[in-house]
Amino acid sequence: GAGVSQSPSNKVTEKGKDVELRCDPISGHTALYWYRQSLGQGLEFLIYFQGNSAPDKSGLPSDRFSAERTGGSVSTLTIQRTQQEDSAVYLCASSSSAGRGELFFGEGSRLTVL
Amino acid sequence: KQEVTQIPAALSVPEGENLVLNCSFTDSAIYNLQWFRQDPGKGLTSLLLIQSSQREQTSGRLNASLDKSSGRSTLYIAASQPGDSATYLCAVRPLEYGNKLVFGAGTILRVKS
Repeated sequence: GAGVSQSPSNKVTEKGKDVELRCDPISGHTALYWYRQSLGQGLEFLIYFQGNSAPDKSGLPSDRFSAERTGGSVSTLTIQRTQQEDSAVYLCASSSSAGRGELFFGEGSRLTVL
Repeated sequence: KQEVTQIPAALSVPEGENLVLNCSFTDSAIYNLQWFRQDPGKGLTSLLLIQSSQREQTSGRLNASLDKSSGRSTLYIAASQPGDSATYLCAVRPLEYGNKLVFGAGTILRVKS
């Protein structure tokens, strides 16, 4: 597609359930990033992929969070046993090169944990 | 540790005014700096990317400058319009860990018609 696509756009879940968030980057972009934006907070880095590898997972807040990328394209961010503090907008971005490339963001997935 | 600060936190101007948004960062060792806008409930839209070797970039009514040695960037918006109302974010990509951006908290801009 022309831009970064994320789904679902909105997700409401109950505490303790697992959720999966999907990101489809711009075609040909090798670098993919996940960020989190909580209400009233800045953007928080979660994880970075180069191809299918994740050389930097330093931002994942706990072992309940995991992500994978397949075929050098689509990525899935999984949150297990969701907690209320996981409520946020999860943003995905991609770029054509890891070091100097311009980042392009999707519209985000808004997660609400009740 | 790289920190990014944006001033002012909020700005309200009448339509037609020229305005400047400021961004400062603590460590000049960066690959580049990127300006974004974010509309309420939306993702981030890239406005301008300035590589560390560049001094400025222009796109339409927008002009961004970079003074890496002093750790500053400005985003100049000419002849502001109500459609420019949004949150403006700057982000730097540090040399130390170039695979992630460090964002400022943003400037909330309101352009009144």
